[in-house]
Amino acid sequence: GAVVSQHPSWVICKSGTSVKIECRSLDFQATTMFWYRQFPKQSLMLMATSNEGSKATYEQGVEKDKFLINHASLTLSTLTVTSAHPEDSSFYICSAWTSGSRNEQFFGPGTRLTVL
Amino acid sequence: QKEVEQNSGPLSVPEGAIASLNCTYSDRGSQSFFWYRQYSGKSPELIMFIYSNGDKEDGRFTAQLNKASQYVSLLIRDSQPSDSATYLCAVGDGNEKLTFGTGTRLTIIP
Repeated sequence: GAVVSQHPSWVICKSGTSVKIECRSLDFQATTMFWYRQFPKQSLMLMATSNEGSKATYEQGVEKDKFLINHASLTLSTLTVTSAHPEDSSFYICSAWTSGSRNEQFFGPGTRLTVL
Repeated sequence: QKEVEQNSGPLSVPEGAIASLNCTYSDRGSQSFFWYRQYSGKSPELIMFIYSNGDKEDGRFTAQLNKASQYVSLLIRDSQPSDSATYLCAVGDGNEKLTFGTGTRLTIIP
């Protein structure tokens, strides 16, 4: 089946630094990818929709200048958490629909971010 | 605001019994419905999707959808310890965006 990868799988950084997370579709092209955030014991919250070749669409309450999204190719989207703070510590998950299919949204394995 | 409600549990079910998970949603225009399983520290994996009213069976899993009642459920027959996980209900708006419920934590007791 379709595979979505993320890198890194976990990262620890100091407060005030920036962290970049990569999301790749390994065996299919994804014009649209999604970035979610999940806090402990909570559900997935959609942060933004990443569109290849255009600006990302952010959900209400998500700061676009803090969470920079770049979708430069049909297989790669990146999320950069700028000036990270401890409250940004979370599980970040990307996903993509396979081309031409609405049946399954494949999720990446997630990135655990801890900001000290 | 679109809402998807699930009982957070934990729901404990003896091994071999039927586990029943429920979900309600607020947006009557929702078009697609998904059940995901999430193990601790892992990302969600799709169990089933359903688009039409009625039942849909896949192995030990049956999804049931009632759009009039805005209700979707997942039945797991012959529950196994490996089924112990958090089950997320997700509802689609027809434009690829999904809204997730908070999940129900299921524990299968050997």
